Amino acid sequence: DVKVTQSSRYLVKRTGEKVFLECVQDMDHENMFWYRQDPGLGLRLIYFSYDVKMKEKGDIPEGYSVSREKKERFSLILESASTNQTSMYLCASSFMDLKSSYNEQFFGPGTRLTVL
Amino acid sequence: SQELEQSPQSLIVQEGKNLTINCTSSKTLYGLYWYKQKYGEGLIFLMMLQKGGEEKSHEKITAKLDEKKQQSSLHITASQPSHAGIYLCGADDSDNFNKFYFGSGTKLNVKP
Repeated sequence: DVKVTQSSRYLVKRTGEKVFLECVQDMDHENMFWYRQDPGLGLRLIYFSYDVKMKEKGDIPEGYSVSREKKERFSLILESASTNQTSMYLCASSFMDLKSSYNEQFFGPGTRLTVL
Repeated sequence: SQELEQSPQSLIVQEGKNLTINCTSSKTLYGLYWYKQKYGEGLIFLMMLQKGGEEKSHEKITAKLDEKKQQSSLHITASQPSHAGIYLCGADDSDNFNKFYFGSGTKLNVKP
């Protein structure tokens, strides 16, 4: 089974702190994603990566950066955390099957971040 | 960008009742995915639809994709408390297949 793990389930940080959220997948997937989930807004894509050292902005990249130095690991960085970044952060990975166009995403358990 | 609209936003049903959740896309869907999320946890894949008119079932959950491939419905028959959670539809971005979009979700509560 594909396993996507996230470094923390719950995290509490102070405004202005630098925050690292780590995500690791064990199925050699090319694509990895970071989303945030807020009530009434659903999942919103922050950044995604389709290869090592490659990254693309999603819909809400402001205030975030990412790092993908190894294929299995995708890190989300909040350079200076703010209270409006309090949210549930979900990491996902996927592999596009070119024959079937099957592109299922596998999700980690999520990190609930609170910024005080 | 592609948008997925889900309805209703929330639903409370009595155990044993049937229910339907809808997902409408602003663009033609090339792959439509249904996920379930238990409160405070990650998403679990339910099923994926690709062809117009396609229908798939898993236990008491049936999903359909319309012929025009712009709308999908998820139907639960004889709901149980274990069906409670948030249901999200997701789709490949038609302009960039490395990207993925989600609807805002439907929160389902099943009263015993």
